Amino acid sequence: KNQVEQSPQSLIILEGKNCTLQCNYTVSPFSNLRWYKQDTGRGPVSLTIMTFSENTKSNGRYTATLDADTKQSSLHITASQLSDSASYICVVSAKGPTGSNYKLTFGKGTLLTVNP
Amino acid sequence: DTGVSQDPRHKITKRGQNVTFRCDPISEHNRLYWYRQTLGQGPEFLTYFQNEAQLEKSRLLSDRFSAERPKGSFSTLEIQRTEQGDSAMYLCASSFVTSGIYEQYFGPGTRLTVT
Repeated sequence: KNQVEQSPQSLIILEGKNCTLQCNYTVSPFSNLRWYKQDTGRGPVSLTIMTFSENTKSNGRYTATLDADTKQSSLHITASQLSDSASYICVVSAKGPTGSNYKLTFGKGTLLTVNP
Repeated sequence: DTGVSQDPRHKITKRGQNVTFRCDPISEHNRLYWYRQTLGQGPEFLTYFQNEAQLEKSRLLSDRFSAERPKGSFSTLEIQRTEQGDSAMYLCASSFVTSGIYEQYFGPGTRLTVT
């Protein structure tokens, strides 16, 4: 069964600090891995998408890494801001029988709280 | 706003009632997806459309659920005889599929509370 596990479940940090969120997956056949940010009561917003051949990708203060051999990914947030408070969801896409990659398996998310 | 929109944003209904949600995807997006998200969980896939064709339905989509995308633009998700277990956030997403990897853009969701 395809699964995505995230840790920690929740995290509280002070504004300006860095943090790293972890994701392990057992999705096969692997197509790509995405990190989404979801504010409370809102839909998820994509931060990064990485394929098998990419091992790091940045989007501003967000840097995602991917180790396809160990099936692990991380999301590093630099110089956190109050607006970073949200749930961060790791999402892995499997290749479908026709080569499509629409099937997304979502983790439960890490709830990040940034305090002043 | 040219993003994915959903209506209503919140719906409170009594058990046994029928409810219908609407999703308007980003213009010209040919794929539309429905997900359900319960508290503390990630979204779970329900169904998706390629234009007006419903190509896949999850086991989560019981016979009380029906989705349509009649003209390949907006979509509706109807739940008949609602149960308390249907209480969740219902998310819609859309994408423009050509080849390769494509982004799914999510709407703000419809929060359903069944009392």
